Amino acid sequence: LAKTTQPISMDSYEGQEVNITCSHNNIATNDYITWYQQFPSQGPRFIIQGYKTKVTNEVASLFIPADRKSSTLSLPRVSLSDTAVYYCLVGTPDSWGKLQFGAGTQVVVTP
Amino acid sequence: EPEVTQTPSHQVTQMGQEVILRCVPISNHLYFYWYRQILGQKVEFLVSFYNNEISEKSEIFDDQFSVERPDGSNFTLKIRSTKLEDSAMYFCASRAERGLNNEQFFGPGTRLTVL
Repeated sequence: LAKTTQPISMDSYEGQEVNITCSHNNIATNDYITWYQQFPSQGPRFIIQGYKTKVTNEVASLFIPADRKSSTLSLPRVSLSDTAVYYCLVGTPDSWGKLQFGAGTQVVVTP
Repeated sequence: EPEVTQTPSHQVTQMGQEVILRCVPISNHLYFYWYRQILGQKVEFLVSFYNNEISEKSEIFDDQFSVERPDGSNFTLKIRSTKLEDSAMYFCASRAERGLNNEQFFGPGTRLTVL
């Protein structure tokens, strides 16, 4: 599985856009990029998944440049309830049997 | 919206005792998982289960651990003789099918405290 690197923490104010960049320099051709969110004392929750370019859903957008060596999760107009740990995971469909979480990025949103 | 449920929410046990953590995955899902998260640490994969057998397990999942799907709805994790270091949050997850969608649905977790 490709190694990922993301910031340990990010602070933001309500209403701002939060962008979390994940580096995955050794991403393989068949790898997909997936982001999960975890609130305190809860299980992780799937946010978004992509392979290239841009993916958008009702929660977030995922930007993946052409070389795919990094990806950026964009959370538009965050609220206090978006305070959570965000994990970037990279892997192929064959590896979906297990999710390998790193330390993630702690996002703290303040008023 | 369907969800994964887990019981109990909190289990306190004495070292050396057996515990069984229970999970009810989403009903039409085929793949089941257990993860654990020691306080302040990352989420760690324990085991995956498909077609009534273990498909993959981590180094953490030693002989003290076992999983079972005793009926069509429950999925259990048994720890035969608990150790202090087994204290953690245990999450059950399920997934509909193998494919390009990497979405696993996690339960709320069971907090296991070993004294």
